[in-house]
Amino acid sequence: GAVVSQHPSWVICKSGTSVKIECRSLDFQATTMFWYRQFPKQSLMLMATSNEGSKATYEQGVEKDKFLINHASLTLSTLTVTSAHPEDSSFYICSATSSSVSTDTQYFGPGTRLTVL
Amino acid sequence: GENVEQHPSTLSVQEGDSAVIKCTYSDSASNYFPWYKQELGKRPQLIIDIRSNVGEKKDQRIAVTLNKTAKHFSLHITETQPEDSAVYFCAASRGYGNKLVFGAGTILRVKS
Repeated sequence: GAVVSQHPSWVICKSGTSVKIECRSLDFQATTMFWYRQFPKQSLMLMATSNEGSKATYEQGVEKDKFLINHASLTLSTLTVTSAHPEDSSFYICSATSSSVSTDTQYFGPGTRLTVL
Repeated sequence: GENVEQHPSTLSVQEGDSAVIKCTYSDSASNYFPWYKQELGKRPQLIIDIRSNVGEKKDQRIAVTLNKTAKHFSLHITETQPEDSAVYFCAASRGYGNKLVFGAGTILRVKS
């Protein structure tokens, strides 16, 4: 149980275009989802926290107009990278928590490798 | 906000030896401390976690200790095997629904 999926697993796009990444909880309801970014050989850095039906809370330094997060249902959150640039190339990972599965544990998706040309 | 420091950044051990990775945190309100193993290009995999009401937890070859007073926690891997080679991250959180703050990671190499 507690499986989180992400789609796509990798994407290559041209500079200036937008890319949408989906994060789904497959067998539980995710009341809170988190979006992380991981650059090569670095740690995971939280970008934003999203609760179903409310606006995401962004970490300091993360542009909310560039990284649009929508958590429209208890099983789906999306991250849209708008007007992507090469410096946005990274590994984007979501995680989800649910009071029905475990109170503290975050379940991670497999990640999405974004490459902006 | 929370700050988590992790040491060492790299650790090489001989197969069968023990490995210890240490983390310190700054937020006294943090009460949940997971450890993750990440292989290249893969998602972080939870290997063990500990909550602030417990001082030590063990799962086969893996153990975690927590010192709330000193605000530090450690991962202990005994009888290391080549498949233990990966990047290990510690993290701290205020618990359910709260964000995880990660340490910088430790590259563990187990030499056979």
